Amino acid sequence: GNSVTQMEGPVTLSEEAFLTINCTYTATGYPSLFWYVQYPGEGLQLLLKATKADDKGSNKGFEATYRKETTSFHLEKGSVQVSDSAVYFCALFFYNQGGKLIFGQGTELSVKP
Amino acid sequence: DADVTQTPRNRITKTGKRIMLECSQTKGHDRMYWYRQDPGLGLRLIYYSFDVKDINKGEISDGYSVSRQAQAKFSLSLESAIPNQTALYFCATSDWTGGEETQYFGPGTRLLVL
Repeated sequence: GNSVTQMEGPVTLSEEAFLTINCTYTATGYPSLFWYVQYPGEGLQLLLKATKADDKGSNKGFEATYRKETTSFHLEKGSVQVSDSAVYFCALFFYNQGGKLIFGQGTELSVKP
Repeated sequence: DADVTQTPRNRITKTGKRIMLECSQTKGHDRMYWYRQDPGLGLRLIYYSFDVKDINKGEISDGYSVSRQAQAKFSLSLESAIPNQTALYFCATSDWTGGEETQYFGPGTRLLVL
């Protein structure tokens, strides 16, 4: 079946550190890939996305590249800020399979000053 | 004003009670979804609706029902609440026009079943 696996959290970093949150997926077909972010007390919001292999999504200094050969979509940021503290969800989506998102379990990031 | 609103934001109820969670959107989207979030499990889809006359079960629909009263409104009901339905519930919408799929989430309803 289709599934998403993320690295376990919580991830604790100091401000300005480099961030990587790993995401790998299992899929039959060619999904689009997403990263959503959930700030404390809020709903999820789209952070970035990529719709085909080798696409790079980017937003707010975050980047992720759709790697079909390794079935991965790792999230990276060169220098994190305290305001990046949140829970990050990787998700996949199939246009031809009913239009539903399949989420990973989420990775909590805590950035200390 | 928020595009996707949920009421109530917090709710405490007792086992066996019937409760309804409501979702409204002003985005004009056809597609609406209900998810629940549990620690370590991410978000799991309960029900979804692609238009007013369309209702579909998600992966964990047992114990829940929904009603799509209008394009803008999608309600989730727990007919007889049980403690393992304690969770954070999210409503989301999306617009399929042009094949673009981004889901927009409400702020969530935190439900505690005693």
